[in-house]
Amino acid sequence: EIVLTQSPGTLSLSPGERATLSCRASQNVRNNYLAWYQQKPGQAPRLLIYGASSRATGIPDRFSGSGSETDFTLTISRLEPEDFAIYYCQQYGRSPCSFGQGTKVDIK
Amino acid sequence: QVQLQESGPGLLKPSETLSLSCTVSNYSIGSGYYWGWIRQSPRKGLEWIGSISHRGTTFYNPSLKSRVTVSLDTSKNQFSLKLTSVTAADSAVYYCATSDFYDSRIDYWGQGTLVTVSS
Repeated sequence: EIVLTQSPGTLSLSPGERATLSCRASQNVRNNYLAWYQQKPGQAPRLLIYGASSRATGIPDRFSGSGSETDFTLTISRLEPEDFAIYYCQQYGRSPCSFGQGTKVDIK
Repeated sequence: QVQLQESGPGLLKPSETLSLSCTVSNYSIGSGYYWGWIRQSPRKGLEWIGSISHRGTTFYNPSLKSRVTVSLDTSKNQFSLKLTSVTAADSAVYYCATSDFYDSRIDYWGQGTLVTVSS
């Protein structure tokens, strides 16, 4: 199973700032099959990015994904109040798919 | 947009069988996609359990395969999860979900249901 390690564990930022989240895989992720999700308390995760850099339907363009092979990044260009949440990466290039442990973005 | 809703008991005793159902709205599950289950716990984080294709082919996480069954009921537009011989380690929020392949990115999630295993 591919292990995904997300960093940092917590990111404390102010609204309007830029957030950069990292996801590192223990092996190359085939075809860059890497997704990012946002989860708020009491809610299910919501798909933001798939294929490392494609935004899901309805996701604002302040969210962008990049990276390849073992190193991937989620960037939120300017944090809005509703963006403070936990973010997870998932690889689906090799079965079984696996998830990172999450990065919490909280208000500084 | 596809909507999913889990249902089932929230409290089980060790060694019992966990049984959950997922009712799907706004899409006929026999028409396409894969229908699956994911769980989330503080101990193990997010974990894919298993999925079923619209034609009934099943796929399971090897770590749970000996205890898991996922099935489809197209007449009710529902799919189900059975997990046998539960222990406290199976306590988690269980989500039903849909994807374009059996353990691919998850396009739609149910709201989740908490299952606690305790004597």
